[in-house]
Amino acid sequence: KQEVTQIPAALSVPEGENLVLNCSFTDSAIYNLQWFRQDPGKGLTSLLLIQSSQREQTSGRLNASLDKSSGRSTLYIAASQPGDSATYLCAVMERGYSGAGSYQLTFGKGTKLSVIP
Amino acid sequence: DAGITQSPRHKVTETGTPVTLRCHQTENHRYMYWYRQDPGHGLRLIHYSYGVKDTDKGEVSDGYSVSRSKTEDFLLTLESATSSQTSVYFCATKALGLYNEQFFGPGTRLTVL
Repeated sequence: KQEVTQIPAALSVPEGENLVLNCSFTDSAIYNLQWFRQDPGKGLTSLLLIQSSQREQTSGRLNASLDKSSGRSTLYIAASQPGDSATYLCAVMERGYSGAGSYQLTFGKGTKLSVIP
Repeated sequence: DAGITQSPRHKVTETGTPVTLRCHQTENHRYMYWYRQDPGHGLRLIHYSYGVKDTDKGEVSDGYSVSRSKTEDFLLTLESATSSQTSVYFCATKALGLYNEQFFGPGTRLTVL
């Protein structure tokens, strides 16, 4: 059974600092890895998706890397801002219980980020 | 944003009553999912659908059933609600194709008294 772990569970940094969030998974037979952001009381917003054949993906101040063989991904946030405060979730997509053609995500429990002005 | 709406957004009900949550999408995505999110457990898959009338169980399916009679709607039913089913429920969709993202709805907060 796939297990996804995110470390640290919570992180507090001063504004302007660069930071790294970590995600690890136990089964490397994944199709892709997705990073999400969740604001309190809200749904999930997709930030980045890295295909299993890719090493990294970038969007603005965000950069996500994937090392599938070692079961690790990192989300790098440059020049953090108070508006980046949220919970960040990583999830791996793998084959679903119904076999070929079905896909499901397994989530980590998230890292709660606070950026202090 | 995949045009996903969930209804109701909030519901309070009593133990033993049936409850149905609705997920509606406008993007014609093939795959639809129901998750629950609980403190200390994160997001867990309840059921999913890989096509009209095609559904399967997820990690925490006991006490839940689903139906999908048309592409745009995916219903989650709690046949007899229990207090352990108090949670926030999220619907998600994904287009056909290996490398497409999952998109999430705004969630339904369900309280079972």
